[in-house]
Amino acid sequence: GAVVSQHPSWVICKSGTSVKIECRSLDFQATTMFWYRQFPKQSLMLMATSNEGSKATYEQGVEKDKFLINHASLTLSTLTVTSAHPEDSSFYICSASTSGSYEQYFGPGTRLTVT
Amino acid sequence: EDQVTQSPEALRLQEGESSSLNCSYTVSGLRGLFWYRQDPGKGPEFLFTLYSAGEEKEKERLKATLTKKESFLHITAPKPEDSATYLCAVQAQGDYKLSFGAGTTVTVRA
Repeated sequence: GAVVSQHPSWVICKSGTSVKIECRSLDFQATTMFWYRQFPKQSLMLMATSNEGSKATYEQGVEKDKFLINHASLTLSTLTVTSAHPEDSSFYICSASTSGSYEQYFGPGTRLTVT
Repeated sequence: EDQVTQSPEALRLQEGESSSLNCSYTVSGLRGLFWYRQDPGKGPEFLFTLYSAGEEKEKERLKATLTKKESFLHITAPKPEDSATYLCAVQAQGDYKLSFGAGTTVTVRA
C-alpha cells in the first residue's frame, strides 16, 4: 500500500516553455502533498505544501508564479514549471500523506532538463 | 529553524564490514525522526520512524537508534545491495514538513 506515482519520469523541454509534472496517490487519499527539488549530490529541499482544494503554501525563496501547484483532487497534484530555464533543471519529487497522518510516501521523481 | 547534519558524507565498506551512520539534529520539539534509502535517480524509500529517545527499530541488516540529539543507522554485515544514499529527516511537533539532511552515500564492495 501507500504507492505514489509521478509522470513523466523524465522530461526535456526548451527554455521558455512550460512543463507539467503529475503526482498521483494510487491506493490512498492524499489530503496533503509535498513537492521537493533535489540537485545533484544534494538533499531534498521542500518547495511547497498543498492541501486538497486549497492554495499551496510555498517555502521561502520559491517563486509561486513560476512553480504552479494544483491539488484539485485527493489523488492528484500537479506542478507546472512555467517559462522554464536551464537553472530549473533538477530532480522533482512529490510525496503524499493522508488525513491525520504525519507519514509521507514518496514518488519516484521526475528528472527535468531544460535546454 | 530545524537542522539536520549527517556524517560521514560518504562511506565505503567491504562486504560484511559493519558500520554506523550518524544523524545529528536540532528541532523545536521532535515529533519524529525518519530514515530513508535513496537509490540513484529514484525517490526516497521509507525505512524507519523513531519517535522518542531510546527507541530502536530493525529491518534486516539495518538498525536505527535515537537519542535526544542524534540518531544512528547501524548496518550489520552489509551486502553490495545495501549500497545507496541514506537520508535522515526530522519532523517537528504539529508540523507536517520534513527537514532533510544531506545524506550519507554508502558503497559496499563485494
